[in-house]
Amino acid sequence: DQQVKQNSPSLSVQEGRISILNCDYTNSMFDYFLWYKKYPAEGPTFLISISSIKDKNEDGRFTVFLNKSAKHLSLHIVPSQPGDSAVYFCAASADNAGNMLTFGGGTRLMVKP
Amino acid sequence: KAGVTQTPRYLIKTRGQQVTLSCSPISGHRSVSWYQQTPGQGLQFLFEYFSETQRNKGNFPGRFSGRQFSNSRSEMNVSTLELGDSALYLCASSQRQGAATGELFFGEGSRLTVL
Repeated sequence: DQQVKQNSPSLSVQEGRISILNCDYTNSMFDYFLWYKKYPAEGPTFLISISSIKDKNEDGRFTVFLNKSAKHLSLHIVPSQPGDSAVYFCAASADNAGNMLTFGGGTRLMVKP
Repeated sequence: KAGVTQTPRYLIKTRGQQVTLSCSPISGHRSVSWYQQTPGQGLQFLFEYFSETQRNKGNFPGRFSGRQFSNSRSEMNVSTLELGDSALYLCASSQRQGAATGELFFGEGSRLTVL
């Protein structure tokens, strides 16, 4: 039973356009959400996070939106750059779960020049 | 500041053998978590150690075990290896427990192939 799902295994966008990566979750106990980026042969690196008490968090070109009622979050990258090409993982955590993250399956983003 | 260091980076074992993987967290980080990444299952939580105590454990059989030393370095062990244990094993460190208190810093992983 996948508690965190990323239904799009891949996404291709043109440089300069917006990239929107989506993530759905089922566990109502999740109250903190994170996005990680992973390049081949490297470990995931933290990108941005959001607490369940917020519905939006911005950091430069990256914005994460959270819709608690729909149990859905999305990552917007504007404008997209070729260097953003990587696999993006959505992850969720419950307050009493320490550093135990539940990850989605990942979305491979390809930004074409 | 040095990142999370995992050794070995690559290893090949045969079924039935055991393996020990090592992780040195970022200096000052007291929490170490382990994750398994496979093409079919994605990233799955194995266990977390904080101050030498296992704080959380994922849904893996008892063949998977770990420990943390007083200097926060951690090891994980897999006994009686099976073909399905072939995966990238990732270690992540954090200053404190609780994802909301800070993100995890991942190492590059140890890629285990079981033949």
